[in-house]
Amino acid sequence: DAKTTQPNSMESNEEEPVHLPCNHSTISGTDYIHWYRQLPSQGPEYVIHGLTSNVNNRMASLAIAEDRKSSTLILHRATLRDAAVYYCILRRLTSGTYKYIFGTGTRLKVLA
Amino acid sequence: NAGVTQTPKFQVLKTGQSMTLQCAQDMNHNSMYWYRQDPGMGLRLIYYSASEGTTDKGEVPNGYNVSRLNKREFSLRLESAAPSQTSVYFCASSEGVRSYSPLHFGNGTRLTVT
Repeated sequence: DAKTTQPNSMESNEEEPVHLPCNHSTISGTDYIHWYRQLPSQGPEYVIHGLTSNVNNRMASLAIAEDRKSSTLILHRATLRDAAVYYCILRRLTSGTYKYIFGTGTRLKVLA
Repeated sequence: NAGVTQTPKFQVLKTGQSMTLQCAQDMNHNSMYWYRQDPGMGLRLIYYSASEGTTDKGEVPNGYNVSRLNKREFSLRLESAAPSQTSVYFCASSEGVRSYSPLHFGNGTRLTVT
């Protein structure tokens, strides 16, 4: 299965940018890189995804390395509400659908 | 629009008891998934269903069975609960391969087995 590696935890000051790294050296050509986040006592929620090119949406930006073996989720200005566990996942086509295997994620702490 | 609904929200079982966790989605999604999350850990895939009538094992299927009753519903059954199955269980859905859609999660069922 496609596993990813992330730091266990990171800290950021409020209003500053945050760069959350992820390594996925076993990525295959058709795997999409997805990011989800999980707020306390909730199910994970979708943040952003990409294949090869960098991506932006209202929540974050995703920077993908040229060899696709790593990626970085960028929160441009962290707020206290961004404190969560962030998961980097490879979405792989398996048995007629997409399989999403979660790793342990990065717990982001935002300091006021 | 309710999204993904899981019932019950909380459950306490004694070792050896059985129960079924229910999940329903109202987004007309093809694929559905069951995950478990142990304290301080990430999510692990138990079973998934690409479409109505099909199911496949994930990373940790032992001790569980699933039923894709129809397109909306995907249930998870514990036949003989064990303390090691104490966890938070999340159901998720996505459109599947025909068009892009991310995973949509329910709010989880917190299960304690004593």
